[in-house]
Amino acid sequence: EIVLTQSPATLSLSPGERATLSCRASQTVSSYLAWYQQKPGQAPRLLIYDASNRATGIPARFSGSGSGTDFTLTISDLEPEDFAVYYCQQRGNWPRTFGQGTKLEIK
Amino acid sequence: EVQLVESGGGLVQPGGSLRLSCAASGFTFSNYAMHWVRQAPGKGLEYVSAISSNGGTTYYANSVKGRFTISRDNSKNTLNLQMGSLRAEDMAVYYCARVGATNYFDYWGQGTLVTVSS
Repeated sequence: EIVLTQSPATLSLSPGERATLSCRASQTVSSYLAWYQQKPGQAPRLLIYDASNRATGIPARFSGSGSGTDFTLTISDLEPEDFAVYYCQQRGNWPRTFGQGTKLEIK
Repeated sequence: EVQLVESGGGLVQPGGSLRLSCAASGFTFSNYAMHWVRQAPGKGLEYVSAISSNGGTTYYANSVKGRFTISRDNSKNTLNLQMGSLRAEDMAVYYCARVGATNYFDYWGQGTLVTVSS
């Protein structure tokens, strides 16, 4: 099973700042990695798929990069609605797995 | 509008069984693979099980293999998860999720809570 390790566990930033979230895989997943956003009481929402492609309706301030084992989600110019928990997920191998999440909180 | 509505959650004793369902609407259900993903209270997301569009292929997380069975009825647009030998660590909100054209989960239900306790 591929283990996805996200860092940091918590990121404290202010609106307008830039957020950089990391996801590292225990073995290569090629570019088969997605990022989801989850707000309290809600289901996750797909942000980025195949490492760098924005899902439908996702603002341009969200961008993804990486391949192999190291991936990054960048949120430029944070908006108040961006403060949430973010998960990475791989589809490079079965079983599909998620990272443990990074909580982006308001500083 | 795509909708996924889970049902069947509730309180069950350790060792007991429960059947979850997910009613799909707003899309051609038989064209899409479907998954179950769970989230324990205050914890992260955990993949549980998957089924191909025609039901011919299934996958399970190691933690539920042999205890849970995923199935679907394409004539009724319904996804099911039969859960047995339930343990405290199975307590979670269970989401059904559609695998979209991106090959990732593009639509999710609102979740149904399973509580395992005596």
